[in-house]
Amino acid sequence: GENVEQHPSTLSVQEGDSAVIKCTYSDSASNYFPWYKQELGKRPQLIIDIRSNVGEKKDQRIAVTLNKTAKHFSLHITETQPEDSAVYFCAASRRGGSEKLVFGKGTKLTVNP
Amino acid sequence: NAGVTQTPKFQVLKTGQSMTLQCAQDMNHEYMSWYRQDPGMGLRLIHYSVGAGITDQGEVPNGYNVSRSTTEDFPLRLLSAAPSQTSVYFCASRMTGGFSETQYFGPGTRLLVL
Repeated sequence: GENVEQHPSTLSVQEGDSAVIKCTYSDSASNYFPWYKQELGKRPQLIIDIRSNVGEKKDQRIAVTLNKTAKHFSLHITETQPEDSAVYFCAASRRGGSEKLVFGKGTKLTVNP
Repeated sequence: NAGVTQTPKFQVLKTGQSMTLQCAQDMNHEYMSWYRQDPGMGLRLIHYSVGAGITDQGEVPNGYNVSRSTTEDFPLRLLSAAPSQTSVYFCASRMTGGFSETQYFGPGTRLLVL
């Protein structure tokens, strides 16, 4: 089955710096890759996603890139702000196939003012 | 539109007791799933369903049962609770196919097994 590896497990940056979180997946048939943000004590919420037919997607300060050949995808946050501090999860699924969404173990991002 | 709801919010069980965690959604989503979240382990998939009458196992199914008799409800049953099942449980739902791919999570159930 699908296995998703996520690195680093913790990341500390200064306000205004960029943050990058990387994930690799094992199932070459996976075609949908979302990223979730979870604030302390709250439920995970989708922040951005990408399909396998797209190499990059941006939404304001957040971008995701996908390398299908290497089976890895990354989350990029620019101009980080203290409110970006949270745990971020990557995930992968085969839409149109098993549909199940498998998550990485998460990255705790701390943005220091 | 309440989204995904879960009950109870908190529960304390003794080893060996049984209970059902309830999950409901009012968005007519075909796909529903259960995750457990433990420190450092991320969100691990327990069971999932792609429609009424269809369920399948995820990464950590042992000790849990599910059924899907309606589109709206997807209860998770612990037949004989163990301390290793102490965790936060999230239910989630989304459409299958279609344009929207967003998976929505419920608020979670915090379970303590003594």
